[in-house]
Amino acid sequence: DGGITQSPKYLFRKEGQNVTLSCEQNLNHDAMYWYRQDPGQGLRLIYYSQIVNDFQKGDIAEGYSVSREKKESFPLTVTSAQKNPTAFYLCASSTTGNTEAFFGQGTRLTVV
Amino acid sequence: AQSVTQLGSHVSVSEGALVLLRCNYSSSVPPYLFWYVQYPNQGLQLLLKYTTGATLVKGINGFEAEFKKSETSFHLTKPSAHMSDAAEYFCAVRYSNSGYALNFGKGTSLLVTP
Repeated sequence: DGGITQSPKYLFRKEGQNVTLSCEQNLNHDAMYWYRQDPGQGLRLIYYSQIVNDFQKGDIAEGYSVSREKKESFPLTVTSAQKNPTAFYLCASSTTGNTEAFFGQGTRLTVV
Repeated sequence: AQSVTQLGSHVSVSEGALVLLRCNYSSSVPPYLFWYVQYPNQGLQLLLKYTTGATLVKGINGFEAEFKKSETSFHLTKPSAHMSDAAEYFCAVRYSNSGYALNFGKGTSLLVTP
């Protein structure tokens, strides 16, 4: 089945550590996105990529980094510079047109 | 810049009653509008979308929405609520300067009571 796979579903991180969230899609979509979700704040855009080897900052990129070496993969690294990383992270993909985005099941990151 | 505002962070309806979730948009160009649903600890699922053409859009699970340019609104409705409709609902519009990314409202939590 085609879709977006995020792993792991739950992730615990100690303060001061970097952690990488995985996102893989087999929908052959060119564009991919990372969102952060906090209660009552909706979804906020962290990074997006419209093509391999290119990505752009979203509204809240500070403390995060990404790469796009393959069309299928768009991993997100939460660095120690992110002051409040505990959140639900959602990866999405779409075609490069005015179509909807498809979402993964999310990764819940907790700093302990 | 394109943005959406969802009125009411929590809405409660009785089973069988009309569901009305409000969304107003701000856009300098003709907008592309979307409604998504999210169940606890899951990703988002598309309910319906408006791009061009017919202003009354029908989606999955009996939901529909009407694009009203004069009111800059895209409210989501369902004639009769089911218990299974309890979830978080998000309205979204395409960003003007972030590729094809969607800009989401803060969400409305729908509670359905017996």
